[in-house]
Amino acid sequence: GAGVSQSPSNKVTEKGKDVELRCDPISGHTALYWYRQSLGQGLEFLIYFQGNSAPDKSGLPSDRFSAERTGGSVSTLTIQRTQQEDSAVYLCASSPRGAGGPLYEQFFGPGTRLTVL
Amino acid sequence: AQKITQTQPGMFVQEKEAVTLDCTYDTSDPSYGLFWYKQPSSGEMIFLIYQGSYDQQNATEGRYSLNFQKARKSANLVISASQLGDSAMYFCAMREGEGTNAGKSTFGDGTTLTVKP
Repeated sequence: GAGVSQSPSNKVTEKGKDVELRCDPISGHTALYWYRQSLGQGLEFLIYFQGNSAPDKSGLPSDRFSAERTGGSVSTLTIQRTQQEDSAVYLCASSPRGAGGPLYEQFFGPGTRLTVL
Repeated sequence: AQKITQTQPGMFVQEKEAVTLDCTYDTSDPSYGLFWYKQPSSGEMIFLIYQGSYDQQNATEGRYSLNFQKARKSANLVISASQLGDSAMYFCAMREGEGTNAGKSTFGDGTTLTVKP
């Protein structure tokens, strides 16, 4: 079956513009995660969805960042008024379950490389 | 306090030898999962191995094994018979299953492994 997909794969934008990043999780996966990875660094947790709700938004770096998930499937991460420090690879992952019960692995998408000029 | 600590920024190993990548974690949640991922230079995140907090035996997957020492809160990855294709960044991660952090995943800063011919 299809894995996690993300679009676009690359995005170059000008400082101050808004961008939308999309994630299509594996069908049936209820948990969805967004991470940010700066060059040569580890993964920084941004937000986690269980179904359509986000129990944990603590990782969002500022109010310029927001995310939503509709229909328990596709998720969109929006960055408003982009800054140069937002440049990174944004990774999405999905998992059969998030909280509670057996703890499953996360399946990662290929990421979106965002460059803010 | 950092929840996942990988103390080795870089490691070298001779081809065909075994190597251990260190990982220690911190949690008060009795239910948690520990994961190792490989990230080659292409950027994709590849799941390697999983250990549940209630598992009695150490996890093994082919050449990968997880040395789980619960009392010491360590979850070291052992790669046996290293191959040139094992050269990559390796991340240790934890997901807590209950309590306020349920579902959220935390990643370490990673260890860069270089396999020498």
